[in-house]
Amino acid sequence: DGGITQSPKYLFRKEGQNVTLSCEQNLNHDAMYWYRQDPGQGLRLIYYSQIVNDFQKGDIAEGYSVSREKKESFPLTVTSAQKNPTAFYLCASSIGGTHQHFGDGTRLSIL
Amino acid sequence: DAKTTQPPSMDCAEGRAANLPCNHSTISGNEYVYWYRQIHSQGPQYIIHGLKNNETNEMASLIITEDRKSSTLILPHATLRDTAVYYCIVRVAREYGNKLVFGAGTILRVKS
Repeated sequence: DGGITQSPKYLFRKEGQNVTLSCEQNLNHDAMYWYRQDPGQGLRLIYYSQIVNDFQKGDIAEGYSVSREKKESFPLTVTSAQKNPTAFYLCASSIGGTHQHFGDGTRLSIL
Repeated sequence: DAKTTQPPSMDCAEGRAANLPCNHSTISGNEYVYWYRQIHSQGPQYIIHGLKNNETNEMASLIITEDRKSSTLILPHATLRDTAVYYCIVRVAREYGNKLVFGAGTILRVKS
């Protein structure tokens, strides 16, 4: 079945450590997105990519980095510069700007 | 993107229709109404979208008023698995990088 796979489901980070969240899709979608969700809140856009080797900052890109070397993959790195990284991270994809398909998320916590 | 207003919570009996309202009085002519839902600890799930005509798919129906200032999502026979937060979003379709702006949504509780 086609879909979006995020891994791991739970991730723990030590202070000063970079961690990378994986997002893979087999839907053949061009566009991919990373959102952050805090408890009881809506989603906030971190980065998005319309096409391979191109990506744009969203509303809260500081402390995060991405790459888009393959159409299927859009990994997100949470760097040590992100001072409040504890959140639920959601990856999505779409054909152009149509409705977005989401993965089941990665929950990041700080040790 | 236009702002939307939804009730914070609703209850529905299992097997009955769930009607979830959304106000979007500042909607523009090229903005669509989208509905997503999010079950606890999962990613949001797309339900349906429409511009001005009523829409129906296997999950739900979307009724948009003639002036497009409000809409209603209808789950015809709600089940316990439909318990979730439902989000009404207004946005221009087919615009790259057009982020989804999720408000607080409506918590729908389906009860047996």
